[in-house]
Amino acid sequence: AQSVTQLGSHVSVSEGALVLLRCNYSSSVPPYLFWYVQYPNQGLQLLLKYTTGATLVKGINGFEAEFKKSETSFHLTKPSAHMSDAAEYFCAVSGRGYSTLTFGKGTMLLVSP
Amino acid sequence: DTAVSQTPKYLVTQMGNDKSIKCEQNLGHDTMYWYKQDSKKFLKIMFSYNNKELIINETVPNRFSPKSPDKAHLNLHINSLELGDSAVYFCASSQTVLVEQYFGPGTRLTVT
Repeated sequence: AQSVTQLGSHVSVSEGALVLLRCNYSSSVPPYLFWYVQYPNQGLQLLLKYTTGATLVKGINGFEAEFKKSETSFHLTKPSAHMSDAAEYFCAVSGRGYSTLTFGKGTMLLVSP
Repeated sequence: DTAVSQTPKYLVTQMGNDKSIKCEQNLGHDTMYWYKQDSKKFLKIMFSYNNKELIINETVPNRFSPKSPDKAHLNLHINSLELGDSAVYFCASSQTVLVEQYFGPGTRLTVT
């Protein structure tokens, strides 16, 4: 069984500030971890994923995330927020060997000028 | 060229009606999914098909019936629509071993 907890349903940052979106997971098997972004009235777009290997993964639009097994975390960061980053962000987990995604409840990122 | 497409994008209908949503992917993937996103943006898997065979069927009312005529298509038919069916329905696809899923743009279903 798997679950995902995203801390904070809303995160507000100023343009140029650090973005940190938190994700903790629970999985009975080694996990695959994902971050997806959803812009208003659009589908989900994959930002980045962790499967195996390097625990720091880089994604699109300057985002990156670090898999920390000891903390069961996969937090998403970006050094400098841009207005265009305002969107809903979903963390998801999948168990290795099968492909069902379990999503967190999402975090809305608000970016102010 | 859209990778995962859904039709229609918006669907407004009355309670008790039957409706279908279509999904097509041109990525050559062998696995397709339907997800439901509720009003609080929570995403939950409904069904998954691998090579046209149903492999995942979450606790979904049997008014919902998926059909996969071929690997590239997965349609969702809903009978006797209820107010609680109002949501955004997303289709997705993946190549099994890669796990990474690609999502369609969603179909916003409103039941009045």
